Amino acid sequence: NAGVTQTPKFRILKIGQSMTLQCTQDMNHNYMYWYRQDPGMGLKLIYYSVGAGITDKGEVPNGYNVSRSTTEDFPLRLELAAPSQTSVYFCASSYPRGQGAHEQYFGPGTRLTVT
Amino acid sequence: KNQVEQSPQSLIILEGKNCTLQCNYTVSPFSNLRWYKQDTGRGPVSLTIMTFSENTKSNGRYTATLDADTKQSSLHITASQLSDSASYICVVSLDSNYQLIWGAGTKLIIKP
Repeated sequence: NAGVTQTPKFRILKIGQSMTLQCTQDMNHNYMYWYRQDPGMGLKLIYYSVGAGITDKGEVPNGYNVSRSTTEDFPLRLELAAPSQTSVYFCASSYPRGQGAHEQYFGPGTRLTVT
Repeated sequence: KNQVEQSPQSLIILEGKNCTLQCNYTVSPFSNLRWYKQDTGRGPVSLTIMTFSENTKSNGRYTATLDADTKQSSLHITASQLSDSASYICVVSLDSNYQLIWGAGTKLIIKP
């Protein structure tokens, strides 16, 4: 199993450009998440999905969109990129383990710079 | 406000030594507490998950403790190895279980 894969690994965008960050998992997990990690800060949840066709906003959703047409894929769309979106983006997936706690598995991340 | 605070921010120790990392949280309602290890340039990897009824859990040389009354947790690393150099992140889960409050992490450097 490849686990959670993300593409691209690095990207530089100009202000106002758009792009899609790809995320795929092969563990048949229902739950998937997008986080951003800024230097010296904890991860912030952008969007999450509890299954195909179902998505919901996290803590910092502004400027982003997601879709979940299949169990495996959960792409994150950035429209009109802004310097504040410079960050490292992590995709994760999870399944419920003992007492309902979700074990989250993370991809390697996408480092995005907006200039 | 739901918060997770970790200390120290960074720590340097010699290979073979033990260390303890601290986590204080003000999260309600509390479901469980996790410790993750994040190598530079990689995604976080889960070390332990503890519910409020568990006060200790081990994963090899890593032992996490939880005091739900004082809202404190610690991660103890025994006989450190160079590969332990990483950021260690304390994460507290709200009742929904998939909504997590992440600490900023402790950056641990192991020197030979």
